[in-house]
Formats: sequence, structure tokens, C-alpha cells
Amino acid sequence: DTGVSQNPRHKITKRGQNVTFRCDPISEHNRLYWYRQTLGQGPEFLTYFQNEAQLEKSRLLSDRFSAERPKGSFSTLEIQRTEQGDSAMYLCASSLAAGAPHGYTFGSGTRLTVV
Amino acid sequence: GDSVTQMEGPVTLSEEAFLTINCTYTATGYPSLFWYVQYPGEGLQLLLKATKADDKGSNKGFEATYRKETTSFHLEKGSVQVSDSAVYFCALSVQHTGGFKTIFGAGTRLFVKA
Repeated sequence: DTGVSQNPRHKITKRGQNVTFRCDPISEHNRLYWYRQTLGQGPEFLTYFQNEAQLEKSRLLSDRFSAERPKGSFSTLEIQRTEQGDSAMYLCASSLAAGAPHGYTFGSGTRLTVV
Repeated sequence: GDSVTQMEGPVTLSEEAFLTINCTYTATGYPSLFWYVQYPGEGLQLLLKATKADDKGSNKGFEATYRKETTSFHLEKGSVQVSDSAVYFCALSVQHTGGFKTIFGAGTRLFVKA
């Protein structure tokens, strides 16, 4: 297992288009998180899954955003009708579920640029 | 609400200098505390953690002590190297619905000059 994998690494899209990102977590991690990071800021929580169940969504996640983890393995994050304000780095992380926080393993992120 | 405050950067040091990056937090309950590092073009990597008061996390010469009385978790390294140049994020993790939620500070950029 080579860690958390995110695809694509970079995405440039025109305003109004839909985009979808994929995250493959570490196989034994049953928790998966999506964060958004803008320049000069720390990651902001978007949503998280335990197995296939989406347990929490941030208020940052407008109706244009949807995330899925259909079989409790990989996850997708879709943004519909993209806006320039959606330009950011989208980070995926995974962790073990049991016990005290283990810390997250992050992927390298998908950098979205909306033009 | 829960939050993390870090010293603003950038921090610029010469090689072999002593490093301190301040971090304070606000949390209800008893959070676990973390430092993550982000190198250019990469995601965040867990650097060290502490799960209860007075615990010291350490890794790669970095260390931080969980100080409940001052709600702080300052990052220190005795002798920095050029390869330590990166952005450092302090974070806390608190229990919430169904598990734990991690909140990050804004990050502190470190430049180390040869």
C-alpha cells in the first residue's frame, strides 16, 4: 500500500463546468476525510465518511458539492457548476477508526483552478 | 468553538539555529494535538502528536509538549536544516458525532538558509 492516492493532481476548468475528483485511501483505513485548502491557509473540513456512510458535512459544502464512497473504499468529490471561488487544493485523508486519534494520512491533493 | 492559533510566518532562520513555532488552542473537552508538515507541492504529513496533558511528541529532532495549563503545543527543534523548509500546521482533534474531527491552524512557513 503506497498511501493515499488522489487523482487528478491538477484540474483546470471553465466556470460553470462540473468536475470530479477521486481519492483512494489506505486500504485498512475505514475513515476518509475531504478538506479544502486555499493559499496561505490551513485545511478546512468539508466532509467525512466512516466506511460508506457520510457522517458529517461542513457548512462549506454547498449544494453544488457532493461526495460519495459507494463501497467504503475509494471516494469521489464532485463540484457542479464550478465558480472561481472553488479554486483551491482539495485534500483527501484517511485514518483508522478505533481508539484515540491516530492522525491522518493525507494524499498529495488535487489543485483545482476555475477560469 | 474549537480553534487553533499559530504564530504568523514566514520564519527565516540560518542552518543550525534553534526553532520555535508557537501554537495555542481553544477546545471543549480534552483534545489530542498534532503537528503536520507540508513540503511544496505535497499533501500534509503527520510530524508528531500528543494525546494528553504533559505528553511530549517527538520525531526527526522536532518535539512539542502538550501544556494544558497554557493551552499550548509549541513546536521546537534544536538545530534546523535547509531540508526543514516547509509549512508547519498545528492541529487539534476532538471527539464529535461518530468519531474525531481535526481542526488546523493557518500554518507557519519556515525558510532555512544555508
